[in-house]
Amino acid sequence: DVQLTQSPSFLSASVGDKVTITCRASQDINSYLAWYRQRPGKAPELLIHVASTLQSGVPSRFSGSRSGTEFTLAISGLQPEDFATYYCQQFNTYPFTFGPGTKVDI
Amino acid sequence: QVQLVQSGIEVKRPGASVKISCLGSGYVFTNYVIHWMRQARGQSLEWVGSVNCNTGATRYSYHFQGRVTMTTDTSASTAYMELSSLTFEDTAVYYCARDPSAKFDYWGQGTLVTVSS
Repeated sequence: DVQLTQSPSFLSASVGDKVTITCRASQDINSYLAWYRQRPGKAPELLIHVASTLQSGVPSRFSGSRSGTEFTLAISGLQPEDFATYYCQQFNTYPFTFGPGTKVDI
Repeated sequence: QVQLVQSGIEVKRPGASVKISCLGSGYVFTNYVIHWMRQARGQSLEWVGSVNCNTGATRYSYHFQGRVTMTTDTSASTAYMELSSLTFEDTAVYYCARDPSAKFDYWGQGTLVTVSS
Protein backbone atom coordinates (compact mmCIF):
# COMPACT_ATOMS: atom_id res chain seq x y z
CA ASP A 1 0.00 0.00 0.00
CA VAL A 2 1.09 3.59 -0.56
CA GLN A 3 1.89 5.12 2.82
CA LEU A 4 1.14 8.80 3.37
CA THR A 5 2.74 10.68 6.23
CA GLN A 6 1.66 14.13 7.33
CA SER A 7 3.50 16.77 9.28
CA PRO A 8 2.94 18.25 11.68
CA SER A 9 0.40 16.03 13.46
CA PHE A 10 -0.81 19.00 15.44
CA LEU A 11 -0.60 22.70 14.75
CA SER A 12 -1.57 25.58 16.99
CA ALA A 13 -2.48 28.82 15.22
CA SER A 14 -4.57 31.99 15.40
CA VAL A 15 -7.20 33.53 13.16
CA GLY A 16 -5.47 35.28 10.28
CA ASP A 17 -2.33 33.12 10.38
CA LYS A 18 -0.83 31.35 7.38
CA VAL A 19 -0.19 27.64 7.91
CA THR A 20 1.29 24.87 5.80
CA ILE A 21 0.79 21.12 6.06
CA THR A 22 3.00 18.57 4.33
CA CYS A 23 2.05 15.13 3.02
CA ARG A 24 4.75 12.70 1.85
CA ALA A 25 4.04 9.59 -0.19
CA SER A 26 6.07 6.40 0.12
CA GLN A 27 6.27 6.10 -3.67
CA ASP A 28 5.50 8.11 -6.79
CA ILE A 29 1.79 8.93 -6.97
CA ASN A 30 2.09 11.43 -9.81
CA SER A 31 -0.25 14.29 -8.91
CA TYR A 32 -3.12 12.08 -7.77
CA LEU A 33 -3.48 13.62 -4.35
CA ALA A 34 -6.43 15.35 -2.73
CA TRP A 35 -6.80 17.37 0.46
CA TYR A 36 -9.86 17.38 2.75
CA ARG A 37 -10.95 19.36 5.78
CA GLN A 38 -12.95 17.59 8.44
CA ARG A 39 -14.71 19.50 11.18
CA PRO A 40 -15.70 17.64 14.37
CA GLY A 41 -18.67 15.36 13.86
CA LYS A 42 -18.88 16.12 10.13
CA ALA A 43 -17.95 14.40 6.90
CA PRO A 44 -14.74 15.44 5.14
CA GLU A 45 -14.95 18.29 2.61
CA LEU A 46 -12.87 18.33 -0.57
CA LEU A 47 -10.49 21.30 -0.80
CA ILE A 48 -7.85 20.47 -3.43
CA HIS A 49 -7.57 17.71 -6.04
CA VAL A 50 -4.80 16.56 -8.39
CA ALA A 51 -2.37 18.20 -6.00
CA SER A 52 -3.05 21.83 -6.82
CA THR A 53 -6.53 22.31 -8.32
CA LEU A 54 -8.91 24.21 -6.07
CA GLN A 55 -12.28 22.51 -5.85
CA SER A 56 -15.17 24.64 -7.09
CA GLY A 57 -16.64 26.76 -4.30
CA VAL A 58 -13.62 26.44 -2.00
CA PRO A 59 -12.16 29.78 -0.87
CA SER A 60 -8.95 30.93 -2.54
CA ARG A 61 -7.10 31.05 0.79
CA PHE A 62 -6.50 27.32 0.23
CA SER A 63 -3.76 26.25 -2.16
CA GLY A 64 -1.86 23.08 -2.93
CA SER A 65 1.49 22.23 -4.48
CA ARG A 66 3.68 19.25 -5.34
CA SER A 67 7.39 18.58 -5.41
CA GLY A 68 8.09 14.99 -6.31
CA THR A 69 6.47 12.85 -3.62
CA GLU A 70 6.01 15.79 -1.25
CA PHE A 71 2.74 17.71 -1.28
CA THR A 72 1.82 20.85 0.58
CA LEU A 73 -1.47 22.42 1.61
CA ALA A 74 -1.30 26.10 2.49
CA ILE A 75 -4.01 28.11 4.18
CA SER A 76 -3.47 31.86 4.11
CA GLY A 77 -5.56 33.80 6.56
CA LEU A 78 -7.05 31.14 8.84
CA GLN A 79 -10.76 31.57 9.51
CA PRO A 80 -12.65 30.19 12.52
CA GLU A 81 -14.13 27.39 10.40
CA ASP A 82 -10.61 26.25 9.42
CA PHE A 83 -9.85 24.95 12.89
CA ALA A 84 -10.31 21.31 11.96
CA THR A 85 -8.41 18.19 10.93
CA TYR A 86 -6.88 17.97 7.46
CA TYR A 87 -6.26 14.76 5.53
CA CYS A 88 -4.43 14.00 2.33
CA GLN A 89 -5.48 11.08 0.13
CA GLN A 90 -3.85 9.38 -2.83
CA PHE A 91 -5.75 8.14 -5.91
CA ASN A 92 -2.82 6.73 -7.85
CA THR A 93 -2.79 3.17 -6.57
CA TYR A 94 -5.36 0.81 -5.09
CA PRO A 95 -6.12 0.56 -2.27
CA PHE A 96 -6.60 4.31 -1.98
CA THR A 97 -5.04 5.55 1.24
CA PHE A 98 -5.32 8.55 3.54
CA GLY A 99 -2.74 10.30 5.65
CA PRO A 100 -3.03 10.21 9.45
CA GLY A 101 -4.31 13.77 9.62
CA THR A 102 -3.16 17.17 10.89
CA LYS A 103 -5.22 18.84 13.57
CA VAL A 104 -5.23 22.64 13.43
CA ASP A 105 -6.25 24.08 16.75
CA ILE A 106 -6.44 27.49 18.31
CA GLN B 1 -28.22 20.27 -5.30
CA VAL B 2 -26.11 17.14 -5.07
CA GLN B 3 -26.76 15.12 -1.94
CA LEU B 4 -25.78 11.72 -0.61
CA VAL B 5 -28.01 10.59 2.25
CA GLN B 6 -27.07 7.52 4.24
CA SER B 7 -29.15 5.19 6.37
CA GLY B 8 -29.24 5.46 10.15
CA ILE B 9 -27.31 4.18 13.14
CA GLU B 10 -26.75 0.43 13.38
CA VAL B 11 -25.97 -1.70 16.42
CA LYS B 12 -24.89 -5.27 15.70
CA ARG B 13 -23.60 -8.31 17.54
CA PRO B 14 -20.21 -9.80 16.72
CA GLY B 15 -20.52 -12.17 13.78
CA ALA B 16 -23.52 -10.40 12.31
CA SER B 17 -23.76 -8.46 9.04
CA VAL B 18 -24.72 -4.85 8.39
CA LYS B 19 -26.04 -3.24 5.22
CA ILE B 20 -25.82 0.52 4.80
CA SER B 21 -27.49 2.53 2.04
CA CYS B 22 -26.46 5.74 0.27
CA LEU B 23 -29.15 7.61 -1.69
CA GLY B 24 -27.90 9.97 -4.37
CA SER B 25 -29.93 12.94 -5.59
CA GLY B 26 -29.41 16.07 -7.65
CA TYR B 27 -27.26 14.37 -10.30
CA VAL B 28 -27.29 11.47 -12.77
CA PHE B 29 -26.62 8.54 -10.46
CA THR B 30 -25.21 6.22 -13.12
CA ASN B 31 -22.55 8.71 -14.24
CA TYR B 32 -20.40 8.20 -11.16
CA VAL B 33 -18.55 5.76 -8.97
CA ILE B 34 -19.47 5.58 -5.29
CA HIS B 35 -16.73 4.84 -2.77
CA TRP B 36 -17.09 3.72 0.82
CA MET B 37 -14.75 4.71 3.64
CA ARG B 38 -14.80 4.21 7.36
CA GLN B 39 -13.41 6.12 10.33
CA ALA B 40 -12.98 4.70 13.80
CA ARG B 41 -13.29 7.20 16.65
CA GLY B 42 -10.30 9.51 16.73
CA GLN B 43 -8.67 7.80 13.74
CA SER B 44 -7.99 8.58 10.12
CA LEU B 45 -10.07 7.41 7.20
CA GLU B 46 -9.84 3.95 5.64
CA TRP B 47 -10.93 3.18 2.08
CA VAL B 48 -13.20 0.12 1.93
CA GLY B 49 -14.02 -0.12 -1.77
CA SER B 50 -16.02 1.23 -4.68
CA VAL B 51 -18.88 0.45 -7.04
CA ASN B 52 -19.42 1.80 -10.53
CA CYS B 53 -23.05 2.91 -10.54
CA ASN B 54 -23.31 2.38 -14.30
CA THR B 55 -21.74 -1.06 -14.75
CA GLY B 56 -21.95 -2.42 -11.20
CA ALA B 57 -18.23 -3.21 -11.28
CA THR B 58 -16.69 -3.30 -7.84
CA ARG B 59 -13.23 -2.96 -6.36
CA TYR B 60 -12.56 -3.84 -2.74
CA SER B 61 -9.68 -3.29 -0.38
CA TYR B 62 -7.94 -6.57 0.34
CA HIS B 63 -8.03 -5.57 4.02
CA PHE B 64 -11.63 -6.69 4.12
CA GLN B 65 -10.85 -10.20 2.97
CA GLY B 66 -14.05 -10.88 1.06
CA ARG B 67 -16.31 -9.66 3.89
CA VAL B 68 -17.64 -6.70 1.92
CA THR B 69 -20.19 -6.53 -0.89
CA MET B 70 -21.14 -3.34 -2.71
CA THR B 71 -24.20 -3.09 -4.92
CA THR B 72 -26.47 -0.51 -6.49
CA ASP B 73 -30.17 -0.13 -7.27
CA THR B 74 -30.14 2.30 -10.16
CA SER B 75 -33.95 2.59 -10.15
CA ALA B 76 -33.69 4.00 -6.63
CA SER B 77 -30.39 5.89 -7.13
CA THR B 78 -29.04 4.03 -4.14
CA ALA B 79 -25.74 2.34 -3.41
CA TYR B 80 -25.31 -0.28 -0.70
CA MET B 81 -22.44 -1.65 1.31
CA GLU B 82 -22.79 -4.88 3.24
CA LEU B 83 -20.12 -5.97 5.69
CA SER B 84 -20.27 -9.44 7.20
CA SER B 85 -18.63 -11.32 10.08
CA LEU B 86 -18.50 -8.15 12.14
CA THR B 87 -15.99 -7.79 14.96
CA PHE B 88 -15.53 -5.09 17.59
CA GLU B 89 -12.85 -3.55 15.31
CA ASP B 90 -15.53 -2.79 12.71
CA THR B 91 -17.09 -0.19 15.01
CA ALA B 92 -16.75 3.06 13.06
CA VAL B 93 -18.56 5.74 11.10
CA TYR B 94 -19.00 4.60 7.51
CA TYR B 95 -19.15 7.17 4.71
CA CYS B 96 -20.11 7.01 1.06
CA ALA B 97 -18.64 9.53 -1.38
CA ARG B 98 -19.06 10.36 -5.06
CA ASP B 99 -16.10 10.15 -7.41
CA PRO B 100 -16.22 12.08 -10.70
CA SER B 101 -12.52 11.44 -11.29
CA ALA B 102 -9.70 11.26 -8.79
CA LYS B 103 -11.55 13.13 -6.08
CA PHE B 104 -14.40 12.60 -3.64
CA ASP B 105 -16.47 15.72 -4.21
CA TYR B 106 -19.63 14.92 -2.23
CA TRP B 107 -19.90 12.80 0.90
CA GLY B 108 -22.76 11.26 2.80
CA GLN B 109 -23.36 12.35 6.38
CA GLY B 110 -21.95 9.11 7.76
CA THR B 111 -23.51 6.05 9.41
CA LEU B 112 -22.34 4.93 12.84
CA VAL B 113 -22.01 1.17 13.12
CA THR B 114 -21.45 -0.13 16.62
CA VAL B 115 -20.51 -3.76 17.19
CA SER B 116 -21.31 -4.73 20.74
CA SER B 117 -22.14 -7.86 22.64
